Amino acid sequence: QVQLQESGPGLVKPSQTLSLSCSVSGDSISRGTSYWSWIRQRSGTGLELIAYIHYREGAFHSPSLKSRSFISLDMSKNQFSLRLNSVTAADTAMYYCARTSIAMTKITFENWGQGTRIVVSS
Amino acid sequence: HSVLTQPPSMSAAPGQTVTISCSGSTANIGINHVSWYQHVPGTAPRLLIYDTDKRPSGIPDRFSGSKSVTSATLGITGLQTGDEADYYCGTWDNSLNDGVFGGGTTLTVL
Repeated sequence: QVQLQESGPGLVKPSQTLSLSCSVSGDSISRGTSYWSWIRQRSGTGLELIAYIHYREGAFHSPSLKSRSFISLDMSKNQFSLRLNSVTAADTAMYYCARTSIAMTKITFENWGQGTRIVVSS
Repeated sequence: HSVLTQPPSMSAAPGQTVTISCSGSTANIGINHVSWYQHVPGTAPRLLIYDTDKRPSGIPDRFSGSKSVTSATLGITGLQTGDEADYYCGTWDNSLNDGVFGGGTTLTVL
């Protein structure tokens, strides 16, 4: 049974860089069929895909955050990470990591972590 | 606002049936599969339906999914108090070149 666990700082100051990690157990992030995603939910809004990555096919960043986000893999730790630069209060959200399946005509977030709450405030 | 449109809230009594709609466009639901997620706040979201109408192992057959043109539907029969949660639809949008979700529907089982 795959499990994902997010970790983050909780509180970030405006203009700083947010760094998040997702530890994966029960699966390998270098398994060929899986992608690994970051998704967030801001207060009062729905879910928002931030980025996903595959160990061989590379990374995708959502157009809305592409200029500020960077997703990466650490295969030695079976973890993947997200950096979000120049954060503002609008980046305050619950951030989730998810194991993802992607094929022509579909994207499915198969397993999720419980999320880590991030507040951007001075 | 969300690319996919869901009713913000619904309610029904235990044992009843509810259908949650997810409205999109020809760029997303019209040409791509839909997935549905159940989220009880404070817990990890759970995949309920993938590929529009398939259930992962362990999801009871009380949950079903369907699609017609540019709208998808999640059906839940025999409602239980444990079904109280937020429900989200999701798919890929070929025009935006992005994964998109609905705004979520809060289901209350009275």
